[in-house]
Amino acid sequence: ETGVTQTPRHLVMGMTNKKSLKCEQHLGHNAMYWYKQSAKKPLELMFVYNFKEQTENNSVPSRFSPECPNSSHLFLHLHTLQPEDSALYLCASSPIPGDSNYGYTFGSGTRLTVV
Amino acid sequence: ILNVEQSPQSLHVQEGDSTNFTCSFPSSNFYALHWYRWETAKSPEALFVMTLNGDEKKKGRISATLNTKEGYSYLYIKGSQPEDSATYLCARLMYSGGGADGLTFGKGTHLIIQP
Repeated sequence: ETGVTQTPRHLVMGMTNKKSLKCEQHLGHNAMYWYKQSAKKPLELMFVYNFKEQTENNSVPSRFSPECPNSSHLFLHLHTLQPEDSALYLCASSPIPGDSNYGYTFGSGTRLTVV
Repeated sequence: ILNVEQSPQSLHVQEGDSTNFTCSFPSSNFYALHWYRWETAKSPEALFVMTLNGDEKKKGRISATLNTKEGYSYLYIKGSQPEDSATYLCARLMYSGGGADGLTFGKGTHLIIQP
């Protein structure tokens, strides 16, 4: 375990379902991120939260809805997804977004399959 | 260069040999360059965070250099071992008016060390 925990590890959902991904860290970090990795593509930044405030939304469709109730928890709420949304979703955290001393700490990811 | 680009995409190296690969990135609004190692079924793990032009960092047999003016970084592995087999990702942190944005990743170099 890296200090960033993601649940569930695997998720299969229908296009009409609503589900949520959870990310938790107790590293004392103040910035949290959602990334998506699709096959043969680089990790794509989805959302950035800094001190619980969303500071970046990288043109993500509204069927993905993030929530950050406190600096330790980050959720990604999913509804009416498409099959092309099937991917590995990674959560990461860092002390602050521009910290020049530390890299991000990543979770193990949630493998999402939309059927 | 508009995106973060890594080459080669994949690399087979004999155990004991040394190797290196490249990360190219847009040099404008540069803030930091990160390197990560991503082993199969694990989380990406931070190797280096580099900010200054001419920076060189070392961790055991792995080292990295940075040229922010021309927009490239090299990662070197000396005396490759089977446990070095992984995908190596580089990512650029850009500074915008509101502060540092999230990391933009390349597709990675997939390194396989052959015994």
